[in-house]
Amino acid sequence: DQQVKQNSPSLSVQEGRISILNCDYTNSMFDYFLWYKKYPAEGPTFLISISSIKDKNEDGRFTVFLNKSAKHLSLHIVPSQPGDSAVYFCAASSRDDKIIFGKGTRLHILP
Amino acid sequence: DAGVIQSPRHEVTEMGQEVTLRCKPISGHNSLFWYRQTMMRGLELLIYFNNNVPIDDSGMPEDRFSAKMPNASFSTLKIQPSEPRDSAVYFCASKGFYYGYTFGSGTRLTVV
Repeated sequence: DQQVKQNSPSLSVQEGRISILNCDYTNSMFDYFLWYKKYPAEGPTFLISISSIKDKNEDGRFTVFLNKSAKHLSLHIVPSQPGDSAVYFCAASSRDDKIIFGKGTRLHILP
Repeated sequence: DAGVIQSPRHEVTEMGQEVTLRCKPISGHNSLFWYRQTMMRGLELLIYFNNNVPIDDSGMPEDRFSAKMPNASFSTLKIQPSEPRDSAVYFCASKGFYYGYTFGSGTRLTVV
């Protein structure tokens, strides 16, 4: 059973518009959430994170929102740029060290 | 800092052969993780070590898979015998004090 779910395998967004990537989780013990970005032939790289005590964290063009009651988080990218085309993984962690990843969403930024 | 180093980058082997994947974590990181990426299952955690000790190997698919971390600077993931369904990209990641991993570039394994 998937504890972290990304239900959209792919998403296409016009350059300059907002990209919204969604993620749901089932384990209420998760207290830290992360987004990773992955380009082809490279390992995933850390993008942004949020603790369960917050509902929003912003870093430049990237904002992560957390809705604990709905067990839902989202990543907003605005404005979207061509270099944002990649696979984005949502991930979650509880008090141990391990991080559980979703299946990923492939984001295509259209010119 | 060279990051997490994995070798080989690509491996093609015949079914039934033994395969060994290698990982050198970032110096000073005390946790090491092996993940497998497939289209169907995304990034699956196979096993992780803390201070060279295996903590959770519940993700290892079968007895054909084994992992070791003989010291803080080296880990191996071995598949014996390999099968076509083991074809995937295998990632190693290491973690220091703060949240968040640093991943290696992965090993693309193809078993024919």
